[in-house]
Amino acid sequence: QVQLVQSGAEVKKPGASVKVSCKASGYTFTGYYLHWVRQAPGQGLEWMGRINPKSGGTDYAEQFQDRVTLTRDTSINTAYMELSRLRSDDTAVYYCAREIDTISNDAFDIWGQGTMVTVSS
Amino acid sequence: DIQMTQSPSTLSAYVGDRVTITCRASQSIINWVAWYQQKPGKAPRLLIYKASSLQSGVPSRFSGSGSGTEFTLTISSLQPDDFATYYCQQYISLWTFGQGTRVEI
Repeated sequence: QVQLVQSGAEVKKPGASVKVSCKASGYTFTGYYLHWVRQAPGQGLEWMGRINPKSGGTDYAEQFQDRVTLTRDTSINTAYMELSRLRSDDTAVYYCAREIDTISNDAFDIWGQGTMVTVSS
Repeated sequence: DIQMTQSPSTLSAYVGDRVTITCRASQSIINWVAWYQQKPGKAPRLLIYKASSLQSGVPSRFSGSGSGTEFTLTISSLQPDDFATYYCQQYISLWTFGQGTRVEI
């Protein structure tokens, strides 16, 4: 079945970087954009950016522009989100999600299970 | 940036109630809005896209309406499984979520 499986929980110190993976299966990886969304404890959803797995092209939310890097490896159907210069307020669950369509902007129909990233000294 | 404002933040209801959640956009988003349901410890689930299109597998008691800047998600008869947090999302200009509406017993 169509699914996105993310890497496991991470604990990092302030100032470090974290790289979360999202492995796609059950569909053509290069046929759909992948997004990253985060959710701090008890808070709402925050869009971070998206990657076109076919071209590698990216779009980022302004507040993450200088700290987030989205990449992909088409040989293993996996997308990555790297967040640098971590702060305590980056503690959150990070989700990858598939965009329904590639013709124009669209909603997210498939979500990964989430990866908890804890930033603590 | 387009802001999405949901109301109410929390809603108390009974099983069988008709429930309506509202989402207002800071500028016109035509009909580029989606609604998600999220339960504790789980990823969001897409319910409605393009304001009123029901995602495959979602029960027909969920419906969406609206255009321009005001949108609603309606649950026609609240079921025990529907107690959750609901988010709207615009996707006409990048992507932005509302702050969420918690539906509680």
